[in-house]
Amino acid sequence: NAGVTQTPKFRVLKTGQSMTLLCAQDMNHEYMYWYRQDPGMGLRLIHYSVGEGTTAKGEVPDGYNVSRLKKQNFLLGLESAAPSQTSVYFCASSPPRGLAPLHFGNGTRLTVT
Amino acid sequence: GQQLNQSPQSMFIQEGEDVSMNCTSSSIFNTWLWYKQEPGEGPVLLIALYKAGELTSNGRLTAQFGITRKDSFLNISASIPSDVGIYFCAGQPSNYGGATNKLIFGTGTLLAVQP
Repeated sequence: NAGVTQTPKFRVLKTGQSMTLLCAQDMNHEYMYWYRQDPGMGLRLIHYSVGEGTTAKGEVPDGYNVSRLKKQNFLLGLESAAPSQTSVYFCASSPPRGLAPLHFGNGTRLTVT
Repeated sequence: GQQLNQSPQSMFIQEGEDVSMNCTSSSIFNTWLWYKQEPGEGPVLLIALYKAGELTSNGRLTAQFGITRKDSFLNISASIPSDVGIYFCAGQPSNYGGATNKLIFGTGTLLAVQP
């Protein structure tokens, strides 16, 4: 049982390049989330999804897009990367029960030069 | 957006000492969670609290949901070297609604334990 798996683990982009981060969960969770983690700022919610085919904006959505075509996958896209998007990105999932805790992946470290 | 004030920012202690950290908010929360993050990994849930006044233990860890619903604390007793990591509080504000499980995170407490 792998839980939440993120790929890739590391990536370096040049400003203006695009990329997609993949998150896969095998726990049959309905809800999935993308957070970014920056020094001294904790984790901030970028986008989230409450089910296949649905997505919604979180606290810091600008510059990112997401898709949830399959229940087990949640993709985070950067169309034109900027240095301000240098961060560690975490995907999480949770069951649909109210107030259920989140299960996190191990993160993707992205550097934009 | 809403923020959680977590303190202290860092702690450097000797093995065997007890540790206490806390989190406060300006608004009411429905849930308080405590996570631990080790280098190169994602946060792992330690304790979840769902009711005001609730006191819950997980081994040497004890956490409480404040009566005012605006704060929570985490205590670690008799610390050991493997307690090293960053501890995050997280919570769901009462005005978020329960359907999405969105969380607000604190800025973390870095714990270093000297053997």
